[in-house]
Amino acid sequence: EDKVVQSPLSLVVHEGDTVTLNCSYEVTNFRSLLWYKQEKKAPTFLFMLTSSGIEKKSGRLSSILDKKELFSILNITATQTGDSAVYLCAVENNNAGNMLTFGGGTRLMVKP
Amino acid sequence: DAGVTQSPTHLIKTRGQQVTLRCSPKSGHDTVSWYQQALGQGPQFIFQYYEEEERQRGNFPDRFSGHQFPNYSSELNVNALLLGDSALYLCASSGKGTQVYEQYFGPGTRLTVT
Repeated sequence: EDKVVQSPLSLVVHEGDTVTLNCSYEVTNFRSLLWYKQEKKAPTFLFMLTSSGIEKKSGRLSSILDKKELFSILNITATQTGDSAVYLCAVENNNAGNMLTFGGGTRLMVKP
Repeated sequence: DAGVTQSPTHLIKTRGQQVTLRCSPKSGHDTVSWYQQALGQGPQFIFQYYEEEERQRGNFPDRFSGHQFPNYSSELNVNALLLGDSALYLCASSGKGTQVYEQYFGPGTRLTVT
């Protein structure tokens, strides 16, 4: 059974701080790892990391994948109050179509 | 172009009752997946429908069933509701040949079982 564990469960920082969110996984036939941001309801896609793309960056957000150690991190620099959300990590199994296995999420609160 | 839509937005039911949730996929998408997200947890995969058939199923009891219509919209039915079924139910749609990151999530239906 595929498994994703995220840490920390929650995090409170002040604007301008840098945060690192962690995701470790076990999957029988890895295809990709995805990061989502969930503010209210629908998760919105941030990054997808695969064997051929182990580092992604978009503005203040960046992510890396370590396929050997089976983990990923999501970094957010110069945090803003708008970054407050739950961040979800999910893995895709090569045998399972578009089905995703999600971690429990990290709740980030950025204070002014 | 409307994205994924779900109805109703919120729902309150009593233990033992039955509920039906609805999802309309994004235009051009033909595959619908359902997820359950309990408070403070990540989404858990319930099942996926393609060509009006259940293609994959997660670790959920038979009380959870679904249907997909010829227009690709889908329903999730839950029988004999338990307090533990209280959750946000998310629907996600995707199309043939699309990659997983191109899967769009709907806003969800918040189900409360009392």
